[in-house]
Amino acid sequence: QKEVEQDPGPLSVPEGAIVSLNCTYSNSAFQYFMWYRQYSRKGPELLMYTYSSGNKEDGRFTAQVDKSSKYISLFIRDSQPSDSATYLCAMYYSGGSNYKLTFGKGTLLTVNP
Amino acid sequence: GAVVSQHPSRVICKSGTSVKIECRSLDFQATTMFWYRQFPKQSLMLMATSNEGSKATYEQGVEKDKFLINHASLTLSTLTVTSAHPEDSSFYICSARTPYTEAFFGQGTRLTVV
Repeated sequence: QKEVEQDPGPLSVPEGAIVSLNCTYSNSAFQYFMWYRQYSRKGPELLMYTYSSGNKEDGRFTAQVDKSSKYISLFIRDSQPSDSATYLCAMYYSGGSNYKLTFGKGTLLTVNP
Repeated sequence: GAVVSQHPSRVICKSGTSVKIECRSLDFQATTMFWYRQFPKQSLMLMATSNEGSKATYEQGVEKDKFLINHASLTLSTLTVTSAHPEDSSFYICSARTPYTEAFFGQGTRLTVV
C-alpha cells in the first residue's frame, strides 16, 4: 500500500462546477497537509497548507482534513478554465531533518468553458 | 510566496555528456534544498535533500555518483547529471525552504538525452 493515494482522474467539469479532489494516506504520523497545483511542464505551486483536522478556506478553495479517517480533500468552487491543471496532495511529519514531502500521484483537472 | 528560480528550463544533451541544473532562491536564504524527478503522468519522486555546506542525502535507489548535488551557498544548489543516458530523460524540479517556511518549487527543467 502506498503511503499516499490520490484519485487518478482525469477529471473534466464544466466551468462554474464545484470540484472535489481527494487523497487518503496510511501513515498516521503525517501532520501537515498541502495541496499543490501544477500546470503542464511547470513546477508545483503551493495552494493550501493545513495542519489540524477541519476546514480551511482561501477564496474559491477549501482544504479539508479528517485525521481520524486519514482523508484530505480540496474543493474548488466556481471552477474556471484557468484552474485546469494537475493537483497534487502532499504531506509530511514534523521534526528537523524529517521534512520530507510525500506526494500523491496527482489528479489532472480540465475545466471546460 | 518566495521565488525559486531554476535554470535551464529545457536542455537537450547527447548521451554520455554531463549537464548541470541550477536552483536559486531569489529572495530568501534556503537552508535546505530538495531535488525531485518527475516522469510523465507520475508524481514527484524525491531524489536527494541537501543542506547548505553539507553533503546531500540521497534517497534509496538514487546513484549519488551519477547525480551530483552541490549546495555551496544559502541561495544556490546545483544538480549535475553525469554521463547522461536516454533513461535519464525526465523533468527535474528543485525546491527550497528555511526552517520557518514551507518548500517553494522551481519551474522545473526538462532534460532530454539523445
